Amino acid sequence: NAGVTQTPKFQVLKTGQSMTLQCAQDMNHNSMYWYRQDPGMGLRLIYYSASEGTTDKGEVPNGYNVSRLNKREFSLRLESAAPSQTSVYFCASSDQTGGNQPQHFGDGTRLSIL
Amino acid sequence: GENVEQHPSTLSVQEGDSAVIKCTYSDSASNYFPWYKQELGKRPQLIIDIRSNVGEKKDQRIAVTLNKTAKHFSLHITETQPEDSAVYFCAASRNSGGYQKVTFGIGTKLQVIP
Repeated sequence: NAGVTQTPKFQVLKTGQSMTLQCAQDMNHNSMYWYRQDPGMGLRLIYYSASEGTTDKGEVPNGYNVSRLNKREFSLRLESAAPSQTSVYFCASSDQTGGNQPQHFGDGTRLSIL
Repeated sequence: GENVEQHPSTLSVQEGDSAVIKCTYSDSASNYFPWYKQELGKRPQLIIDIRSNVGEKKDQRIAVTLNKTAKHFSLHITETQPEDSAVYFCAASRNSGGYQKVTFGIGTKLQVIP
């Protein structure tokens, strides 16, 4: 049981390049989330997927797109990377059956945009 | 929307002393309050949580208290040890159309001095 797995762990991009961050969970959770973490700003929600087949914007969605490929996988895409998107990205999942439950986080992707 | 304020932003204590981190929230509909510990370069991990129908919860050296009327909750760590050094995040959460809407505080960097 690996929990939440993110790939890649590190990535350096040039401004304007695109890339997709991958996330998969094996806990059969229905909800999945993408956060970014910047110094002094805590964790900010980019996009979420309450259940398979649905996605919605969070607090800071501009410059990102997401795909909930199936119940296990939730990917985050940067279409045209900008230096302001340099951050640590965390994927998380939770099981909302029966009410609020803790979120389980992946190890993060450290992304630098030059 | 929800606003979670967390204090202090940094905290240094001597080993064996207690540490207290305080958070306030604004949305009275929030009903679940998890605390996460994040060691340097690692993922946030749940250490304790409390629901709105409970005033206090303890787990060994860690306790959380909740005052719904005042909309604040606190993390208490007793007999601190060097391995308690990390960043701690509070969060306030509520259900919103099948989705768990979670707002995080900006984090408290705790340093335990041996």
